[in-house]
Amino acid sequence: KAGVTQTPRYLIKTRGQQVTLSCSPISGHRSVSWYQQTPGQGLQFLFEYFSETQRNKGNFPGRFSGRQFSNSRSEMNVSTLELGDSALYLCASSLAGGTANYEQYFGPGTRLTVT
Amino acid sequence: AQSVTQLDSQVPVFEEAPVELRCNYSSSVSVYLFWYVQYPNQGLQLLLKYLSGSTLVKGINGFEAEFNKSQTSFHLRKPSVHISDTAEYFCAVSDYLGNEKLTFGTGTRLTIIP
Repeated sequence: KAGVTQTPRYLIKTRGQQVTLSCSPISGHRSVSWYQQTPGQGLQFLFEYFSETQRNKGNFPGRFSGRQFSNSRSEMNVSTLELGDSALYLCASSLAGGTANYEQYFGPGTRLTVT
Repeated sequence: AQSVTQLDSQVPVFEEAPVELRCNYSSSVSVYLFWYVQYPNQGLQLLLKYLSGSTLVKGINGFEAEFNKSQTSFHLRKPSVHISDTAEYFCAVSDYLGNEKLTFGTGTRLTIIP
């Protein structure tokens, strides 16, 4: 079974631009979560989508947004990029539903550099 | 709200020696606990999880962890480490089963000395 895939793997953008990152979950997984990882703040939860609806949201400004499609693939968008948005963005998918087999599977991440 | 504290940011250990990576959590409700490993330029991989039941949890790659409710701890241990265990290790907590929002600790970088 293929794992979580994220595209692109690396991205360089300029301040003020916007960017869209993509995540394809494991087949059959309906929940997709996004995390930002930086050396200073560590791993921080951005948001979670389930059945095309945002179900949970972290503490990030409105410049960070996302969506989920009917096939569970998800995209996140960051508008008006700032230098501080440089980070590794990780996507995770799960079956959801809270069972004993619960586990989030992470993708390899997209490394975003803002110059 | 929950929080996770990993007291050691870096832990150097000689090869074949035992290791313990410490994790303490704070939560006002029931918790579900996880340890993840991150190798360079990769995403996170689940090592083990505590959802309920036995407080001693065994995971992959020979790692185990013990949930201690009275001390609010979930320390990770391995009796004999290998060079391949060099990585960053993250402890995480969720406040209910099925809550996709994980709160992570700041991570512990484990370096194995040959």
